[in-house]
Amino acid sequence: NAGVMQNPRHLVRRRGQEARLRCSPMKGHSHVYWYRQLPEEGLKFMVYLQKENIIDESGMPKERFSAEFPKEGPSILRIQQVVRGDSAAYFCASSLRQDEQYFGPGTRLTVT
Amino acid sequence: KNEVEQSPQNLTAQEGEFITINCSYSVGISALHWLQQHPGGGIVSLFMLSSGKKKHGRLIATINIQEKHSSLHITASHPRDSAVYICAVTGNQFYFGTGTSLTVIP
Repeated sequence: NAGVMQNPRHLVRRRGQEARLRCSPMKGHSHVYWYRQLPEEGLKFMVYLQKENIIDESGMPKERFSAEFPKEGPSILRIQQVVRGDSAAYFCASSLRQDEQYFGPGTRLTVT
Repeated sequence: KNEVEQSPQNLTAQEGEFITINCSYSVGISALHWLQQHPGGGIVSLFMLSSGKKKHGRLIATINIQEKHSSLHITASHPRDSAVYICAVTGNQFYFGTGTSLTVIP
């Protein structure tokens, strides 16, 4: 049973471009969480999704950021018109129910 | 004031020592999580607990709901335990502590 997969592991974007981060949860898991870790800072919650539903997006910046978890396929975190301040590690986690979360390896986004 | 406070921020121990990391929180929670982040950045969920005590190998986690406090203990510490340990709580929202950086010296 493969763990949580995230791709790409490293992503470089120029300012103004779009970044798409993908997260494939563990098999059977229908809950997905996205977290951001800015350089030299702690983890911050961004969004919690179940299949086709956003449950809690209280941690998402109001502009440029969006997330989805379609019926089929991975969860996508999309950042439009990236800025240097978006450079961070983005972690995804999944769970079977609202219980123990399993983390992916993260995507390190660098905005140049 | 942060909703989740951890102490100490940094901890250096000799191999074999018993280690305790503390976490206090100020919000209502449904669960508390202890996470381990390795130097390479990967994150592992160690425990999720809402009451009492859990044990996994050399790791023990306790929580006191009335006092809003949790501790993570590592017995017979080893250099491979060197990592950042993060306390997180889930309730109405998700809150993370800033982490405790542990270094175990051989």
